[in-house]
Amino acid sequence: AQKITQTQPGMFVQEKEAVTLDCTYDTSDPSYGLFWYKQPSSGEMIFLIYQGSYDQQNATEGRYSLNFQKARKSANLVISASQLGDSAMYFCAMREAYRDDKIIFGKGTRLHILP
Amino acid sequence: DVKVTQSSRYLVKRTGEKVFLECVQDMDHENMFWYRQDPGLGLRLIYFSYDVKMKEKGDIPEGYSVSREKKERFSLILESASTNQTSMYLCASKPESYNEQFFGPGTRLTVL
Repeated sequence: AQKITQTQPGMFVQEKEAVTLDCTYDTSDPSYGLFWYKQPSSGEMIFLIYQGSYDQQNATEGRYSLNFQKARKSANLVISASQLGDSAMYFCAMREAYRDDKIIFGKGTRLHILP
Repeated sequence: DVKVTQSSRYLVKRTGEKVFLECVQDMDHENMFWYRQDPGLGLRLIYFSYDVKMKEKGDIPEGYSVSREKKERFSLILESASTNQTSMYLCASKPESYNEQFFGPGTRLTVL
């Protein structure tokens, strides 16, 4: 069965520092997709970044990058030069082989950026 | 910009009431989703629809039903609300060819 694990329930980071949010996953399917979403206090989930299991390069989107280590089954989110507005809940998610009905989310990591 | 709207941000209902949560998207997306979010549990899929009148059960469909009569609208129905259905409900949509989902602002439902 698929599984997503986020081991950090909460993190405090100084503004302008880089942040790494951990995510490990488990699946027996060779084809899968990995996502990160941000949820500010307003409640809306915001898509950040996507990595396909066959993608050779690590995904990057502006200040966000996904450190994809397939052999270790990890998909950590790296935020460079953190900002106060990055304070939010962050969720890692996995989709099984293009199956939109088979998406599972981790329990989330609450990130606090300190001024 | 993609817009997914939900009928209410906050809703308070009594046990046994029938509850309708409405979700509307304006981008002609094929797929729509209803999730439930609880602290420490992340998001869990309740139902998924890949076309008008088509639906698939997610991980926790018990106590819920859905309706998709028009492509832009996906409704979640609690036939007889119970206190354990107090939660945040999130609707999402996505086009068939996309990876990411677009989420609405959520409805925080309290059942007394």
